[in-house]
Amino acid sequence: EVQLVESGGDLVQPGRSLTLSCTASGFTFDNYGMHWVRQAPGRGLEWVSGISWNSGTIGYADSVKGRFTISRDNAKNSLYLQMNSLTAEDTAVYYCAKYISVGNVGYFDNWGQGTLVTVSS
Amino acid sequence: SSELTQDPAVSVALGQTVRITCQGDSLRNYYASWYQQKPGQAPILVVYGKDDRPSGIPDRFSGSSSGNTASLTITGAQEDDEADYYCNSRDKSGNFWMFGGGTHLTVL
Repeated sequence: EVQLVESGGDLVQPGRSLTLSCTASGFTFDNYGMHWVRQAPGRGLEWVSGISWNSGTIGYADSVKGRFTISRDNAKNSLYLQMNSLTAEDTAVYYCAKYISVGNVGYFDNWGQGTLVTVSS
Repeated sequence: SSELTQDPAVSVALGQTVRITCQGDSLRNYYASWYQQKPGQAPILVVYGKDDRPSGIPDRFSGSSSGNTASLTITGAQEDDEADYYCNSRDKSGNFWMFGGGTHLTVL
């Protein structure tokens, strides 16, 4: 059974930093791209960042580019999101998701339960 | 533009058929995937590709695509289908991903 468990969410002051982790099990982690998706309270899903299986391709949403850094450690079956210069607009539940891509077909087939990040003074 | 557009809300009578649509230029290049989300829960994948479902998703859920529009159809909607539905695709460049704004489905 695939499991994705996020951790690291917390209440943090504006301007501070936070690192989220996602621990994967139940599948061969280094065969798949992984992504972070967030959801602000009462809002829709927003793609944040994604990383290919070997970290060779990385992408960020414009809203976080230059502030967030995605990384992975395949030896530890773990995905990370380092978040700097946090603002209230970053307050959200952050989900990690496993991605499958074949040609022009791509989808997030498994999601974690999410970790809440609250940015407030 | 690099965005996916969904109607904010749709309703359907119990047992009837409903179509939820998603429009965007990227859908001419990439298939959409569809996610169901209930309050307080993580999203789950319901349809992907041309018209594929993960195991465990009822066959009343189906997908289709034409031009810049992707559709999720629920044939014989059930009370349990009441939820928010999001479409997702890569953008035209293939370097970014995006979600539609979501459609809240009410089953009457």
